[in-house]
Amino acid sequence: DTAVSQTPKYLVTQMGNDKSIKCEQNLGHDTMYWYKQDSKKFLKIMFSYNNKELIINETVPNRFSPKSPDKAHLNLHINSLELGDSAVYFCASSPRTSGGVEQFFGPGTRLTVL
Amino acid sequence: DAKTTQPPSMDCAEGRAANLPCNHSTISGNEYVYWYRQIHSQGPQYIIHGLKNNETNEMASLIITEDRKSSTLILPHATLRDTAVYYCIVREWNSGNTPLVFGKGTRLSVIA
Repeated sequence: DTAVSQTPKYLVTQMGNDKSIKCEQNLGHDTMYWYKQDSKKFLKIMFSYNNKELIINETVPNRFSPKSPDKAHLNLHINSLELGDSAVYFCASSPRTSGGVEQFFGPGTRLTVL
Repeated sequence: DAKTTQPPSMDCAEGRAANLPCNHSTISGNEYVYWYRQIHSQGPQYIIHGLKNNETNEMASLIITEDRKSSTLILPHATLRDTAVYYCIVREWNSGNTPLVFGKGTRLSVIA
């Protein structure tokens, strides 16, 4: 059983389009995250949600809008896509208790903006 | 910004122990050392964590120096599937929902 899943795995689109990436976790975790890994392989946090509420929003353009319909889902919607948005986007989740020792990552969504 | 320093790359012969060092000279008393790895085209995977005592699990061992300013992740019998980027991260224990701050990591290549 996949613990953290993302769809789609690959996304190729034109500049200016709007796209969404979906994430679901079946671990019963309270907190979910979106990370971005750019072409230089740096992995950086974008957003963090706890029980459907936004708790961390790093310096990310407001074209990026996360939405958490319930505790198990955290979707990422991107408006007016730009070339620089090309990256791999990882969703992750962690339990609320025990210091968040482990964060469980999804397989990633590779976004290519042409 | 990452609070750790790691060598950019290392090689290890298959079947031998892989020893991955990490410097964290500014670590504070309530910060733990965590290790993650990222195999090519996959999401990062938790390996192990520790505060000041050495730790061992089914994946690896973690050796933390007495002054806690550095640590070493040991993969006792490296296999080709251990080829990955290994990240050393320091973070407070009770920051349960704090995101991970990744540095550049060490690219470990296990060679047959």
